[in-house]
Amino acid sequence: EIVLTQSPGTLSLSPGERATLSCRASQSVSSSYLAWYQQKPGQAPRLLIYGASSRATGIPDRFSGSGSGTDFTLTISRLEPEDFAVYYCQLHAWTFGQGTKVEIK
Amino acid sequence: QVQLVQSGAEVKKPGASVKVSCKASGYTFTGYYMHWVRQAPGQGLEWMGWINPNSGGTNYAQKFQGWVTMTRDTSISTAYMELSRLRSDDTAVYYCARASRDERWLQLDWGQGTLVTVSS
Repeated sequence: EIVLTQSPGTLSLSPGERATLSCRASQSVSSSYLAWYQQKPGQAPRLLIYGASSRATGIPDRFSGSGSGTDFTLTISRLEPEDFAVYYCQLHAWTFGQGTKVEIK
Repeated sequence: QVQLVQSGAEVKKPGASVKVSCKASGYTFTGYYMHWVRQAPGQGLEWMGWINPNSGGTNYAQKFQGWVTMTRDTSISTAYMELSRLRSDDTAVYYCARASRDERWLQLDWGQGTLVTVSS
């Protein structure tokens, strides 16, 4: 079973700063099956990135994904107030990372 | 636009069963797989399985096999997830999520979630 480990657990940043979130797989995986979701309190998750680097429909271009093999990254180039949330990486349908909380510093 | 509207919150006793519904609109229900994902309070996301609304075929996470049943009623564009033998650690928000047509593993659109509380 492949495990996804996200780091850091919490990221404290100010609006306008750059956020870099990491997702590491316990073994090499196909980037075709790597996705990122955003979840705000009391809301359902929202798909941001799929195929490691493709933005979902309607997602602003300040969100970008990259990586291959075992290491994947979600970057938010300039944090907007609405970006403070929890972010999950996902491998295929059935494996989620434990999440990274991006909080206001 | 795509909408997934789930049934309301439930409170169940340990050992009981719960059946959550997910009514779809704004697209062809039988054309897209439907996933079920749950989230315990303050915890992460846990995939439970998917159903092919066209054929009724299912694929359950190993953890939930023999314990979860996913069905659908195409006449009313509604998917169902039934979990039996409930325990307190099944307390969670249960989400349905429509898959991408081309990437069936990808959970594109989500319902609002249904809180299931298991308590004696």
